[in-house]
Amino acid sequence: AQTVTQSQPEMSVQEAETVTLSCTYDTSESDYYLFWYKQPPSRQMILVIRQEAYKQQNATENRFSVNFQKAAKSFSLKISDSQLGDAAMYFCAYRTRNSGNTPLVFGKGTRLSVIA
Amino acid sequence: NAGVTQTPKFQVLKTGQSMTLQCAQDMNHEYMSWYRQDPGMGLRLIHYSVGAGITDQGEVPNGYNVSRSTTEDFPLRLLSAAPSQTSVYFCASSPRRTGSSYEQYFGPGTRLTVT
Repeated sequence: AQTVTQSQPEMSVQEAETVTLSCTYDTSESDYYLFWYKQPPSRQMILVIRQEAYKQQNATENRFSVNFQKAAKSFSLKISDSQLGDAAMYFCAYRTRNSGNTPLVFGKGTRLSVIA
Repeated sequence: NAGVTQTPKFQVLKTGQSMTLQCAQDMNHEYMSWYRQDPGMGLRLIHYSVGAGITDQGEVPNGYNVSRSTTEDFPLRLLSAAPSQTSVYFCASSPRRTGSSYEQYFGPGTRLTVT
């Protein structure tokens, strides 16, 4: 079974600075997706960024980028120019690429605080 | 297009009571799932469905039942609520078609307290 590990329960960053959230995963599969979800105090789960395992290029979405190291099974999220609105729980998640009929496997989350 | 909707948003139950958490989606997604979120535990899969009439158990299925009679609806039933089922419950859906991003779309969650 796949597992996802987020080793940082809490992180903090100064406004306008850069922070990196760590995620490692364990799988024997070669084809899968990885995701970062953000959960603000509203509780809504918001997709931040996704990465297809077959793509070597790291995904980017505006101020959010990932460092995907397939051999090391590592998938970290970098937030640049941090803003107060980035304060939230962040979850790393894994999904097998199998016709979209498999569950997401989540890490336990990292709570990010942004200091003004 | 409302996306994924969940009702109720909040619920308080007494131990032993039963209830159904409702989930509906209007995106014609084949895949639907239920998660529970507890502090320090992330989101854990309860049950999921790959289409109408098909359901399967996830990581923490005990105490919960599901059925999928239509593509749109995927209710979660608690037959005899226990304090250990106090949690926030999320429903999610995604399409199964080849070439999709495999992103799951989440409902707003239901906060359930069992006393």
